[in-house]
Amino acid sequence: DIQMTQSPSSLSSSVGDRVTITCQASQDISNSLNWYQQKPGKAPKLLIYDASNLETGVPSRFSGGGSGTDFTFTISSLQPEDIATYYCQQYDDLPITFGQGTRLEIK
Amino acid sequence: QVQLVESGGGLVKPGGSLRLSCAASGFTFSDHYMTWIRQAPGKGLEWVSYIGRSGSTVYYIDSVKGRFTISRDNAKNSLYLQMSSLRAEDTAVYFCARDRGVYSSSWYGVDYWGQGTLVTVSS
Repeated sequence: DIQMTQSPSSLSSSVGDRVTITCQASQDISNSLNWYQQKPGKAPKLLIYDASNLETGVPSRFSGGGSGTDFTFTISSLQPEDIATYYCQQYDDLPITFGQGTRLEIK
Repeated sequence: QVQLVESGGGLVKPGGSLRLSCAASGFTFSDHYMTWIRQAPGKGLEWVSYIGRSGSTVYYIDSVKGRFTISRDNAKNSLYLQMSSLRAEDTAVYFCARDRGVYSSSWYGVDYWGQGTLVTVSS
């Protein structure tokens, strides 16, 4: 199975800050990576697909990058509504696997 | 708009069975792989099963092989998950989700999720 190591597991930042989350795959997954946002009690929402493509309707302050084994997810200017848990997911091979999640809080 | 509505969750005893259903609307159901993903209380996301567009190809995570069966009825725009020999560790919210690929022969991860249905396995 492909292991996805996401860091940090939690993060506290101020409104307007630049926030970066990293995700490392245990083997080369090319660009087969998605990023999701999950708010408490809600279903996850797709933000970034194929490592760096912004899903339609998602604000441009969200971005993704990387390929191979190392990936990043960035919020350029943190907004109060961005408080959530973020997950990376690889789909290069089955089983589909997720990172353990990054819980983002406002300082 | 795309809608996925799960039903069928509930409380079941260890060793019992349950059938989850997912009603899809707002898109051409037969054009997409479909999947079930679960989330144990307070935990992360875990992929459970995928089914191909016609229903002829299915995939499972090892921990549910032989116990869970995924199926679909394209005429009814519905996805199912038959769960048997349930264990405490199967307790989770089960999400029905649509794969992002359109008319594809593989999977690309999820773009739409249902609201989830809670399955609790406890005596």
